[in-house]
Amino acid sequence: ETGVTQTPRHLVMGMTNKKSLKCEQHLGHNAMYWYKQSAKKPLELMFVYSLEERVENNSVPSRFSPECPNSSHLFLHLHTLQPEDSALYLCASSQGEGSGSNEQFFGPGTRLTVL
Amino acid sequence: GEDVEQSLFLSVREGDSSVINCTYTDSSSTYLYWYKQEPGAGLQLLTYIFSNMDMKQDQRLTVLLNKKDKHLSLRIADTQTGDSAIYFCADSRGYSSASKIIFGSGTRLSIRP
Repeated sequence: ETGVTQTPRHLVMGMTNKKSLKCEQHLGHNAMYWYKQSAKKPLELMFVYSLEERVENNSVPSRFSPECPNSSHLFLHLHTLQPEDSALYLCASSQGEGSGSNEQFFGPGTRLTVL
Repeated sequence: GEDVEQSLFLSVREGDSSVINCTYTDSSSTYLYWYKQEPGAGLQLLTYIFSNMDMKQDQRLTVLLNKKDKHLSLRIADTQTGDSAIYFCADSRGYSSASKIIFGSGTRLSIRP
């Protein structure tokens, strides 16, 4: 596969469940990102990883726990979520330092529904 | 308030030109981007412009940047039904090792026959 992939594409979970979202990039990039996209709200940056180190955590509740085991993979671990956490979760990657335009490439997203 | 602002909706007739406008506040932005999101999909980078440029053209797309007024626009010539999507304006504020991109709320473009 090429580009940025995300699994699963759709997820329905109860508030007491624990699940994980997975993102993989095949672009040789050094930085990866998690965004939350809710209806009627701007895209919200959640976490930024550069060279497997977290460089930003935008006041995200602790029920969201990111993990970046290597520069190609990014996970978002979910536990005891609330219905208002239902959204499209988008992963992105970028080349990182020295790349010039440093644009981000997005995956297709995981549509999460919390019951 | 939002750092990047766009109007929420735009409706154009098929074959006409679409112009989507955006304003931003950070004068230190180095790159500005236009992304497209189709239903059920992630964001697709359409084009970008470096902050020292005034204009960039790429086939049917023309980006205009007025740095003094912090105004960015995207013109789509000969708009087709496949152009129906949400268009996001974004600007880049870099970390040393990653990019921090601030997105607008998106403009939903609808095409009427």
